Amino acid sequence: AQSVSQHNHHVILSEAASLELGCNYSYGGTVNLFWYVQYPGQHLQLLLKYFSGDPLVKGIKGFEAEFIKSKFSFNLRKPSVQWSDTAEYFCAVTSPYNNNDMRFGAGTRLTVKP
Amino acid sequence: GAGVSQSPSNKVTEKGKDVELRCDPISGHTALYWYRQSLGQGLEFLIYFQGNSAPDKSGLPSDRFSAERTGGSVSTLTIQRTQQEDSAVYLCASSNPDRVNYGYTFGSGTRLTVV
Repeated sequence: AQSVSQHNHHVILSEAASLELGCNYSYGGTVNLFWYVQYPGQHLQLLLKYFSGDPLVKGIKGFEAEFIKSKFSFNLRKPSVQWSDTAEYFCAVTSPYNNNDMRFGAGTRLTVKP
Repeated sequence: GAGVSQSPSNKVTEKGKDVELRCDPISGHTALYWYRQSLGQGLEFLIYFQGNSAPDKSGLPSDRFSAERTGGSVSTLTIQRTQQEDSAVYLCASSNPDRVNYGYTFGSGTRLTVV
C-alpha cells in the first residue's frame, strides 16, 4: 500500500531560521506530489505541487520543495521563516494509477517563535 | 458557492447515536472526497465520488460508515452507532478532474466529538 512519511511531528524555530520538513513516499513509478498547509483555525490550502519537469518547485509565501526521485523524497524548505508560518504542513501523493487517490502524511506542526 | 462548505462545523453526540455530516462542493466540481483527520494521524482517506461512477469506498473504516452523493453535488457522510474512536475532524474536498493538476479544495471540516 502506498504511504507518505513525514519524519518531524513538531518543529519549533525562531524567526529568520531556515526550515526543512522531510517527506518520503513509498510508491514506485510516476507520482504527483503536493504540500498543503493548515493555518490555525483555517482549512487546508495548497502550498505547492510537483507533476513533472524541474524538480525544484516554487510555491507561495517563499516556500519551495525539491523532488529527489532516487530518494523518494519531496522535502519542503524555506530560507527564513516568519511567525505567520506557524501552521501544520501536510505532504501528499497521488497514485500513479489513479490521480484522484490522494494520500497524506501525518503532518508536521511548525511553531515559529517571534 | 465560492468554496467547499461543510455543516455542521461542530457536532457533539452521545455514543451509540447516528450522525450525518454534509458537504457542498464547489459548483462544477465532479469529484468529491471525504477524509478524516485525527490527532497525530494525518488525513485518512474515506471515500471518493466521481460523477456518476460507483464511489471508491475502500477507505471506510467499518460498515457503520456510509456516504452518498445526490445529484452529483451535495454529499452526506453518515456514521451509525457512533463510537468514541470516531471523534475526529471530517474533511470534505472537491476537484475538477479535468484540472486535477491544481489539487483539491478543502472545506473547513466538521469536528465530531463522541461522548
